[in-house]
This record gives sequence, C-alpha cells and structure tokens, in this order.
Amino acid sequence: NAGVTQTPKFQVLKTGQSMTLQCAQDMNHNSMYWYRQDPGMGLRLIYYSASEGTTDKGEVPNGYNVSRLNKREFSLRLESAAPSQTSVYFCASSEAKGGGLGANVLTFGAGSRLTVL
Amino acid sequence: AQKVTQAQTEISVVEKEDVTLDCVYETRDTTYYLFWYKQPPSGELVFLIRRNSFDEQNEISGRYSWNFQKSTSSFNFTITASQVVDSAVYFCALSGHYTGGFKTIFGAGTRLFVKA
Repeated sequence: NAGVTQTPKFQVLKTGQSMTLQCAQDMNHNSMYWYRQDPGMGLRLIYYSASEGTTDKGEVPNGYNVSRLNKREFSLRLESAAPSQTSVYFCASSEAKGGGLGANVLTFGAGSRLTVL
Repeated sequence: AQKVTQAQTEISVVEKEDVTLDCVYETRDTTYYLFWYKQPPSGELVFLIRRNSFDEQNEISGRYSWNFQKSTSSFNFTITASQVVDSAVYFCALSGHYTGGFKTIFGAGTRLFVKA
C-alpha cells in the first residue's frame, strides 16, 4: 500500500533553475493537491485538481505550474526557482465525492524538502 | 473567503495534564467539513477526525475529544491525560465545496510539547 508517493525527497536548486516535483497515488482518488509548509504558516494550498483534466489555483499559486497527467499523477513545476520557494512541499489526494467516511480526507505524501540558494 | 485561525502557536504541558487546542473558522458555505491533522516530529501528516457542518455532536476517541460549535465557529480539540507521544504539530482544517470537489485549507498549526 504505497498511498501517495512524492519524488524527490530532497532537492537543492540555484536561483533561476527549474524543476518538477512528481506525485503519484494508487488509491484511485479523484482529487489531488499540492501544499507548501513554511514555519509559522501552516500548510498553504498551491494548486489542486478536482479530477483528471482539471486544475485550479489555490492560495499561493504564483511561480508554480501543475499538470494532472492522468488520474494517478499530479506534478508541480517551478519554472524559475526563487529563494522564497524554499519550503517543504506536500502532495495529497482525496476521494472528493459523497459523504462517505473517506470523503475529503486527505492522504499525504512524505513531503519534498526544497532549498533554493 | 474561507479562513482557519489557530491562535495558539505553541503550548507546553507536563505529562498527564489535559490540554485544549483552539480552532476558529470562517466560511460562507452551508456545507463544509472540519478536520484535525497531526504532524509528529517525523514529519508525516496524519488524519485524526472529520466533522461535517450538519453534525454538531461532540466526539470522543480514547483520550481525544472534539467540541464543534457552529454558534461560535469553533472546532476545539482536547487531549486528556497528555502523553509525551502527543508532542506534535496539530493542524485544524476546513474543506469547502468547489466545482467538482472540495478544497481544504489549513490553519497555521499549534505545536504541542508534552514534557515527562
């Protein structure tokens, strides 16, 4: 039971470099999310995807792009990394439909720690 | 706009003390969900509880209990007889509906230290 898998776990970039964080889930969830976690700020939503083929901006989308490649995969791209994007990034997924016990409950990946110098 | 406020940044207690973590939320949705998640020092995020907006019944699970009050827009979390293993960051979260699904936002978190 892999759940949500994120890669890489750690990455160091120089300002201006680009990179893609990969996320895959094997729970057949419809919705996927990218959050960033910074000290004192909690988890802030970057982008989310209600279902395959749809993406929407969250609270802090600037400087990021996403791709919902298929139902399983949701990638986050930094086109030109900045020091302000140094953070821990979490991917999550959920079954968004209905009122069942699992609806809306987020299952998180282990996180990706990104440092931009 | 939706918002979750956890006013307590850090709380420190001695083992066996009871502790309450506060959560206040704002939303204009009539249907919404409230959650608590735990992040232990290892860093993973663990779901604790979900409550929907139509169910104000309080819940108890072992040493954990939750008090949901729509009148004050609060969803507080109490740990009874705290243990060192309860040391973690606790996040309150609010999920509201958008086209096709739900979007979840989090409070800033409360870091709980339980000392032996």
